[in-house]
Amino acid sequence: EDQVTQSPEALRLQEGESSSLNCSYTVSGLRGLFWYRQDPGKGPEFLFTLYSAGEEKEKERLKATLTKKESFLHITAPKPEDSATYLCAVGGGATNKLIFGTGTLLAVQP
Amino acid sequence: DVKVTQSSRYLVKRTGEKVFLECVQDMDHENMFWYRQDPGLGLRLIYFSYDVKMKEKGDIPEGYSVSREKKERFSLILESASTNQTSMYLCASSSPYRAGNTIYFGEGSWLTVV
Repeated sequence: EDQVTQSPEALRLQEGESSSLNCSYTVSGLRGLFWYRQDPGKGPEFLFTLYSAGEEKEKERLKATLTKKESFLHITAPKPEDSATYLCAVGGGATNKLIFGTGTLLAVQP
Repeated sequence: DVKVTQSSRYLVKRTGEKVFLECVQDMDHENMFWYRQDPGLGLRLIYFSYDVKMKEKGDIPEGYSVSREKKERFSLILESASTNQTSMYLCASSSPYRAGNTIYFGEGSWLTVV
């Protein structure tokens, strides 16, 4: 069964304390892995798309990496404004649709 | 920048009412989607459309219908609203449908059915 699992469910960091969020997936024929940021009460905002194992993408304090089984979203020296829910989604599998994880709620305290 | 606009941010409707949620995208995307998002359940696909007048059921189509008369506009219709349809509804669009193409979301519509 195609599945996406994100961990941890919630993460609390101090400002400047680097960490990583995990997205593990089981899907046949991966066609893309997507990271989104979602602020409370708003729609998901696109961050990155990764297509193949070994690929990495960066944007400000965020860096996304991809292996054959999982993706990491590394947050370096986070700031309070990085607080949000981070969603991972995978494209491909039996239905060729996007499968979303349930997200990681990140809180960065000053 | 891609812009997906949902016409209503907050709605309160009564049980049994017919509800229309409207969505417009400005990127000439062929594909459009409606999701609902509930705590602990994540995003679930209701319907999607890959062309004008074309539609396909997603994972939870029961109680919903859709309309796509123009390429840029995709409407979600709740024929007879029920309290279990209280949720956040998200419209999205993407370039010609392959799962590897990025989906862009609107700001969401919060629907409360009382």
